[in-house]
Amino acid sequence: RKEVEQDPGPFNVPEGATVAFNCTYSNSASQSFFWYRQDCRKEPKLLMSVYSSGNEDGRFTAQLNRASQYISLLIRDSKLSDSATYLCVVRGGSQGNLIFGKGTKLSVKP
Amino acid sequence: DTGVSQDPRHKITKRGQNVTFRCDPISEHNRLYWYRQTLGQGPEFLTYFQNEAQLEKSRLLSDRFSAERPKGSFSTLEIQRTEQGDSAMYLCASSLGQHSGNTIYFGEGSWLTVV
Repeated sequence: RKEVEQDPGPFNVPEGATVAFNCTYSNSASQSFFWYRQDCRKEPKLLMSVYSSGNEDGRFTAQLNRASQYISLLIRDSKLSDSATYLCVVRGGSQGNLIFGKGTKLSVKP
Repeated sequence: DTGVSQDPRHKITKRGQNVTFRCDPISEHNRLYWYRQTLGQGPEFLTYFQNEAQLEKSRLLSDRFSAERPKGSFSTLEIQRTEQGDSAMYLCASSLGQHSGNTIYFGEGSWLTVV
């Protein structure tokens, strides 16, 4: 089983749609959780951290369920500029390095 | 620009040649990471340094790969006897310390094509 697994995608949605990405992780000792965004042929950039209580940043809402080892990202009122690959990322244990999922590609169409 | 910088940005090499990538982290960041990303995959962890000490190496890092960070500032990643399967984007990242809350910042990557 991969350490971080995501929805396979791609997701093709119209502008204004709400889209949800899901992710599961295998290491119960993981301590920190993130969503990164990666544009084509660019480096990953931190979109938002994910906290146990859930957190929101504008149109983006992230949720964490430690018992189920499940992370989600909800994008409301999607924009053309949201088109990118969204990477679920887990960090933890003694190493502190980031473990990435394969990513889910989102295409927002006019 | 005070972000993570990588050099070269693009490298085309013949199979069997050696290549070296350089990474300059954000100043005062003592953690430095190397990742590799191939098409359609997320970044895969290779190795990381705390100051000059290499603390972890992935099993992906075969004996043809070596990374150094001699003075705890910039780092180099060398690939010897390159193979076509080494074609990928090599990403360097840095963070301030090992606390799990410290954000990891990525450079723009070094693209390697082995022909």
